[in-house]
Amino acid sequence: TQLLEQSPQFLSIQEGENLTVYCNSSSVFSSLQWYRQEPGEGPVLLVTVVTGGEVKKLKRLTFQFGDARKDSSLHITAAQPGDTGLYLCSHGGGTSYGKLTFGQGTILTVHP
Amino acid sequence: GAVVSQHPSWVICKSGTSVKIECRSLDFQATTMFWYRQFPKQSLMLMATSNEGSKATYEQGVEKDKFLINHASLTLSTLTVTSAHPEDSSFYICSAEGQGSSYFGPGTRLTVT
Repeated sequence: TQLLEQSPQFLSIQEGENLTVYCNSSSVFSSLQWYRQEPGEGPVLLVTVVTGGEVKKLKRLTFQFGDARKDSSLHITAAQPGDTGLYLCSHGGGTSYGKLTFGQGTILTVHP
Repeated sequence: GAVVSQHPSWVICKSGTSVKIECRSLDFQATTMFWYRQFPKQSLMLMATSNEGSKATYEQGVEKDKFLINHASLTLSTLTVTSAHPEDSSFYICSAEGQGSSYFGPGTRLTVT
């Protein structure tokens, strides 16, 4: 099993602050995914990164895939209370792209 | 867009009884579905892969006789928790492969009393 180490596990910040969540591994991946999950709901896909060094932006969220395709980061600029949730990185199981292994997750709380 | 539903969204049952959870792909066919379990403030853990028309594949440590999976059609997979115990209380989430990606259902909260 290719493990994903996600950090930090918990993050509590004030509205307007910036933050970065990391997803690291010793394995090389063809792609990594980032999900956001709210309490009592299923995870929602934010982005898939596939190319080493790739940077993708989704409004105030910036996702980066490491050059060696072993790690990824999620940076949120000027966090808002609506960003509160569980952020998960994952990788797929080869030919079965829906068979996902998740990192431990980062619980983000943004206080007004 | 591709939509996956789960039913029920929450269920409370007594210890020793069995509970069935349904996962449906509403607007696409899914030969493969997945069942995950999530405990409070934790990540998702894959339990099993559900294959239409064949036996499910269970992850290490998941009891196949306790968590019965049936994938009888291209749009429906069911997970039955047999002889449920309080430690089976969890959030069960399914996902379905289709249209080049996978899509998660909204989850089912199971509470065993």
